[in-house]
Amino acid sequence: DAKTTQPPSMDCAEGRAANLPCNHSTISGNEYVYWYRQIHSQGPQYIIHGLKNNETNEMASLIITEDRKSSTLILPHATLRDTAVYYCIVRGSGNTPLVFGKGTRLSVIA
Amino acid sequence: EAGVAQSPRYKIIEKRQSVAFWCNPISGHATLYWYQQILGQGPKLLIQFQNNGVVDDSQLPKDRFSAERLKGVDSTLKIQPAKLEDSAVYLCASSLDQGVGYTFGSGTRLTVV
Repeated sequence: DAKTTQPPSMDCAEGRAANLPCNHSTISGNEYVYWYRQIHSQGPQYIIHGLKNNETNEMASLIITEDRKSSTLILPHATLRDTAVYYCIVRGSGNTPLVFGKGTRLSVIA
Repeated sequence: EAGVAQSPRYKIIEKRQSVAFWCNPISGHATLYWYQQILGQGPKLLIQFQNNGVVDDSQLPKDRFSAERLKGVDSTLKIQPAKLEDSAVYLCASSLDQGVGYTFGSGTRLTVV
């Protein structure tokens, strides 16, 4: 079973920041937080991951709370192409498999 | 680099027929995964290979599903006989040994009628 809780859906205006929350209150010390997204008719795409520090790449920023029980994925300037289902996943080290929940359906509106 | 290739893209079969899906992972990726995604749900892991050995197949319905990865490269997933509830998208993914994340293919959409 997924170890995360996400809102089922969110809307965001084009050009604004999209902030997607995720709760993972049972995360253990060696587990990472991963974010993937799935655009319609495509396979999931890796976005970002982190352990306890905030992370940023060309796609997004990941903010993890100090107690690691929740995190927020930030898309700084959402575009229509960011409309997708976003999955927050807690995963151990090595090749432990990704366990997906239902994710958050983000709709970016013009 | 080339992505994960899957074929066919779509398949429609009648219940009780058999079907096979093919996956070619990214070159050099030792780990290969098959996921099943039913409409409206997140992907569910069916089987994980490390090279040509099975690491985890605990959620594979072994009475009707089988998978193999010959020579540690390409993989096939077979369903025989298919049921209506097998209608789903079947996703293949691969990763480097101890890799950071997976790369997924676009999937095969199976409709059982």
